[in-house]
This record gives sequence, structure tokens and C-alpha cells, in this order.
Amino acid sequence: AQKITQTQPGMFVQEKEAVTLDCTYDTSDPSYGLFWYKQPSSGEMIFLIYQGSYDQQNATEGRYSLNFQKARKSANLVISASQLGDSAMYFCAMQTSYDKVIFGPGTSLSVIP
Amino acid sequence: EPEVTQTPSHQVTQMGQEVILRCVPISNHLYFYWYRQILGQKVEFLVSFYNNEISEKSEIFDDQFSVERPDGSNFTLKIRSTKLEDSAMYFCAIALELAGEEDTQYFGPGTRLTVL
Repeated sequence: AQKITQTQPGMFVQEKEAVTLDCTYDTSDPSYGLFWYKQPSSGEMIFLIYQGSYDQQNATEGRYSLNFQKARKSANLVISASQLGDSAMYFCAMQTSYDKVIFGPGTSLSVIP
Repeated sequence: EPEVTQTPSHQVTQMGQEVILRCVPISNHLYFYWYRQILGQKVEFLVSFYNNEISEKSEIFDDQFSVERPDGSNFTLKIRSTKLEDSAMYFCAIALELAGEEDTQYFGPGTRLTVL
């Protein structure tokens, strides 16, 4: 069965500090993609970063980086230099075919001034 | 990043009424998806749509739901007879291609459906 686990329901981080949001996944498919989405209080779903299962290097997008450890089936999101606008829900997600994306339960991040 | 708009942004309806939620990709995309998120819960897959037909659907997507691209542009989700438990945020998502980074799904802003 395919599953995404996010064990941190809520996280706090000081402004300008780095924070790591955990994500583990389970799939038997050899090819898959891992995503992180941000959902602010306004409700929209914002794509942040993508990691393919065959990618050799960890994905980076500005202040976001994905710590991909394939053997451990983890895909943690690292946000560097946190900003107040980073306060939101963060969802880890996995796609094993073009048909659908499976989401984790989410982590609520609060950035403290 | 591809743009997707959804209308309406908020829909309030009476139980038993039909609702149509619309998704309008700005450019021509190949794959379309509907997801829903009940308040405070995780995002759930409903249905995927490719080449004018459903490619996969979840157990949530029962006979009350249907999707279509009536004019080759808009992508609609219809709920025939709404129930209280259909109250949720409904997201449309689009993707460009099958493999590689291009199969990233980009989400619209969502339609908040409230069933009274």
C-alpha cells in the first residue's frame, strides 16, 4: 500500500532559523515522485519542490531543499532562513503514476518573530 | 508555473441540490485532476481525467460525481445531489506530461463548497 507519513502535526521555528519538516513514504513502485506543497491560511495549495526517485541529487528551490534518503524512504523538507510568511500547513505528497497524488496529513509550521 | 483558475471561489448550496465546480487552465494541459479537502483533514484524490475520459477514480468518486470538459477548455466537476458531508475545499490540478519533472501537478486556488 502507498502511504505518506508526517509525524509532526505542529512545528515552531524562530524567524531566520532553519527548520526541517519530516516526511516518510511507502511504495513498492520503483519510479515515483515526491512533492511538497504549502497551504497558507487562505487555503490555496502552492507547489514548492519536486524530487524524482531516480534523481541523484537532492532538489533545491531557493530557500527550500529536499533531503532525499531513498534507502530510508524519507523526503524531508528543509526551509532555510525562515520568514513570517512561511507560517502555513505543509503537505508531503507522492505520485507513482500519472493518475493521482497521495498526500500526507500535513505539518503546521508557525514562524515566531 | 502553469496557471489554473477555479470558479466559484465559494459555493453555498442546499442539501440535495446540484453544483458544478469549474476549473480553467490558462494554457493547454493534458492531465486534469480533482481533489477535495474536508476542513482540517488531508487532501484526498477524487478523479483523474486524460484525453477526455476518466483514467482513475477513488472510492469517494461515486455515482453522485461526474467530470467533463464540455468545451475543450473548462474542466468541470458536478455533484448531482449534494450531501452535508460534501462540504469541503475542492481543488483542481493540472499536469503537463507523463514522466519527469513536468508531471508536477499544479493546483488551482480551490472552491470552498458549503452544503447546508
